[in-house]
Amino acid sequence: GAGVSQSPSNKVTEKGKDVELRCDPISGHTALYWYRQSLGQGLEFLIYFQGNSAPDKSGLPSDRFSAERTGGSVSTLTIQRTQQEDSAVYLCASSPLLLATIYNEQFFGPGTRLTVL
Amino acid sequence: RKEVEQDPGPFNVPEGATVAFNCTYSNSASQSFFWYRQDCRKEPKLLMSVYSSGNEDGRFTAQLNRASQYISLLIRDSKLSDSATYLCVVDSWGKFQFGAGTQVVVTP
Repeated sequence: GAGVSQSPSNKVTEKGKDVELRCDPISGHTALYWYRQSLGQGLEFLIYFQGNSAPDKSGLPSDRFSAERTGGSVSTLTIQRTQQEDSAVYLCASSPLLLATIYNEQFFGPGTRLTVL
Repeated sequence: RKEVEQDPGPFNVPEGATVAFNCTYSNSASQSFFWYRQDCRKEPKLLMSVYSSGNEDGRFTAQLNRASQYISLLIRDSKLSDSATYLCVVDSWGKFQFGAGTQVVVTP
């Protein structure tokens, strides 16, 4: 079946503009995660959704970042007033279930490469 | 201090040799542990989960030491295709923390 998809694959924007990044998880996956990865760095956890709710938003770098998920499916990560330091690859992942006692594999999308000029 | 720390490497390994590396984590309440593999400019993919009793998957062996708060990965009989960055992942109640990765380069 189809994997996690993200759009756009590449986004170049000017400093100060708003951007929206989209993630389509694997159908039926309850949990959805957003990460960002700067060049040569590890993954930085941003936020996760259990269904449509986000229990923990503490990973969002600033109040310019927000995310929502509707219908337990598609999620959008919005960055307002982009800054150059926002340039990174934004990765989305989904997993079938989020329970502390179960090992859930995360399936990653190909990412959106964001460049802020 | 980072919540998950890894030796960045690179570990240069002759083909056929064994390589092992660790990852330390700071949150003693962490529940689940994983090793992911990431190839250059690609998304991470699950290599294996790490269970309390340790587990093997072919040439790969993972260990968990809760007392000392580290996990390890050992690769036996290294193949050229094992060249990648290996990411340590720790799950604390749904919040997944990734290490920065250990780069492994297998040479002919």
